[in-house]
Amino acid sequence: DSGVTQTPKHLITATGQRVTLRCSPRSGDLSVYWYQQSLDQGLQFLIHYYNGEERAKGNILERFSAQQFPDLHSELNLSSLELGDSALYFCASSVGRATEAFFGQGTRLTVV
Amino acid sequence: ELKVEQNPLFLSMQEGKNYTIYCNYSTTSDRLYWYRQDPGKSLESLFVLLSNGAVKQEGRLMASLDTKARLSTLHITAAVHDLSATYFCAVDREGGATNKLIFGTGTLLAVQP
Repeated sequence: DSGVTQTPKHLITATGQRVTLRCSPRSGDLSVYWYQQSLDQGLQFLIHYYNGEERAKGNILERFSAQQFPDLHSELNLSSLELGDSALYFCASSVGRATEAFFGQGTRLTVV
Repeated sequence: ELKVEQNPLFLSMQEGKNYTIYCNYSTTSDRLYWYRQDPGKSLESLFVLLSNGAVKQEGRLMASLDTKARLSTLHITAAVHDLSATYFCAVDREGGATNKLIFGTGTLLAVQP
């Protein structure tokens, strides 16, 4: 157990809908990262937050957004969902911006 | 464009045999990660290689890093079935200063009894 908690573990929703994925980082970690893993794109970095501020964006679609709250948990919001958004979404956390990151169990999103 | 390439993509090996997975990357980076992933599960950190010439070993796995050649290897010694998983290498897209990782395609390792 890495100490990073993601909820829900599984999510099934219809196209066009909006969902929110939640991540609680390890105690004391200030950085949260979101990654997407799909069969066609592999593992891709989406976005990084550090102590509540967005620090970097990767291959994140405009339909997706994220935030990190004062208690350091983070949410990834996915809207206008398409079939191609079906994937495993991972959250990772680290103490700083360059220290080793630990991954949560992931949320498996299925869009039907 | 930053690329991280692994080979082979699929590796079927018999228990007791040795083999090496290769990871080539196209950017300058002083940090490289190896992760293990079981089907449908999370990514488990295996090694963090922090400098040129770094070598780390854990059990039957040994990882090394050559930053000049932009190459890392994951060597498997006397494979056992429990090592069956997908192995990923990853490089920080900003050269080691962050955790914005670019992952390789992964190597699916199947160890046959």
